[in-house]
Amino acid sequence: EAGVVQSPRYKIIEKKQPVAFWCNPISGHNTLYWYRQNLGQGPELLIRYENEEAVDDSQLPKDRFSAERLKGVDSTLKIQPAELGDSAVYLCASSFGLTNEQFFGPGTRLTVL
Amino acid sequence: AQTVTQSQPEMSVQEAETVTLSCTYDTSENNYYLFWYKQPPSRQMILVIRQEAYKQQNATENRFSVNFQKAAKSFSLKISDSQLGDTAMYFCASTGNQFYFGTGTSLTVIP
Repeated sequence: EAGVVQSPRYKIIEKKQPVAFWCNPISGHNTLYWYRQNLGQGPELLIRYENEEAVDDSQLPKDRFSAERLKGVDSTLKIQPAELGDSAVYLCASSFGLTNEQFFGPGTRLTVL
Repeated sequence: AQTVTQSQPEMSVQEAETVTLSCTYDTSENNYYLFWYKQPPSRQMILVIRQEAYKQQNATENRFSVNFQKAAKSFSLKISDSQLGDTAMYFCASTGNQFYFGTGTSLTVIP
């Protein structure tokens, strides 16, 4: 069975440019997470979906970040405009419910110049 | 608010020896779960072990076991017979209504 798929794996952009990340979770997983991980730190939850509904987005900087999960499957995370401080690895994970094991994708490493 | 604290940024252990990684957490939830995740240098995070807070028995997975002290809000990970492949970042995490990771412990297994 395929794991969590993320694309692109790497992205380099100029500041003020838009960028989007895509995630395809494990089939059947109703819970999807987006995390941001800065170098040497633990993942920070940005948003959690239960099916199509965003149930926890308290840490998402809503002035520049947006996310969607159409049809409760794939998800995209967008940043517009990007800032230098957005350079990080963006991780997507999925699980069957909040209390079960999360399966992580390989992440997208974003560099903002 | 929930918090997860890992007080050991870096640790090392000789191959075949035993090492314990510390984690404390703070939560107001009555029903929660605790996890240890491993992130090797390739950066794909994988689950090591999971503990339900309502279970008194400590979870065990092969060479990995936990010491769960609910009253002290402590959740340490013991790795026995350390192997070179155990070299990685280890993150403690907790979930109630929200999900929080600690800052991680970088473990190096020395041949």
